[in-house]
Amino acid sequence: KAGVTQTPRYLIKTRGQQVTLSCSPISGHRSVSWYQQTPGQGLQFLFEYFSETQRNKGNFPGRFSGRQFSNSRSEMNVSTLELGDSALYLCASSWGRDTEQETQYFGPGTRLLVL
Amino acid sequence: QQPVQSPQAVILREGEDAVINCSSSKALYSVHWYRQKHGEAPIFLMILLKGGEQKGHDKISASFNEKKQQSSLYLTASQLSYSGTYFCGTASGGSNYKLTFGKGTLLTVNP
Repeated sequence: KAGVTQTPRYLIKTRGQQVTLSCSPISGHRSVSWYQQTPGQGLQFLFEYFSETQRNKGNFPGRFSGRQFSNSRSEMNVSTLELGDSALYLCASSWGRDTEQETQYFGPGTRLLVL
Repeated sequence: QQPVQSPQAVILREGEDAVINCSSSKALYSVHWYRQKHGEAPIFLMILLKGGEQKGHDKISASFNEKKQQSSLYLTASQLSYSGTYFCGTASGGSNYKLTFGKGTLLTVNP
C-alpha cells in the first residue's frame, strides 16, 4: 500500500505570496490532518478533514485554510506569507471514524521557506 | 493545552534504559507515541486508550495513567536505531478529531 504523499517537498516563497500544499492519503483513509512543525515547538495542529468537511481547526490565523476533495486528497493554502510561516508542514491520514483512537500515518512533509 | 514532555533531551549509551514522560492538564482519552528521525516523517509507535493499559512493542513499552493524566514511554536496552525525537500526542475525546502534541524529547543513543 502506498504511503501518504505530499507535494511539493520543498518550497521557497517571499513574504506576501501565497502557497498551496497538497496531501494524498493512504488509499481508503478518509481523514486528513495537517500540522505545522517548527524547531522546539513540536507539531501544531492546523485542521482535520473528513469527507470534505472540516471537523476541527487549530489556533492559526485565517490566512491558513484547507479543503478536501471527494477522493480524500487534501490541500492547504497559506495566503499573505510571513517569515514566521517558515516550517515543515506535515499531513497525516487515518481511517477517520474516530481519529483519536486511530493510528495517524504521516507524510514526508513539505518544507516551506519564506524569505 | 499542549502536553508537557520530560526530559527535553537525554543521551544514552547503547544498552541503557530510558523513560520519557508526557503529562497533560486535561483529562485524556488516548495517548499516541511517535518517533521522528531528522528529516523524516514521524513514525507511529503505539496508542494507549483510557483504562490504564500498558502496551509493549519489542523493547519499547508504554503506560497510561488516566487518573494522573500521564503517560510514560519505556525504552529498554536501547539500540542506536532508537535515536530520534519522541513525541506524545494526546486526545481528550468528545469527537474533537484532534491530537495535541508535546514539544518532543530528543533521544541520542551513542555506541
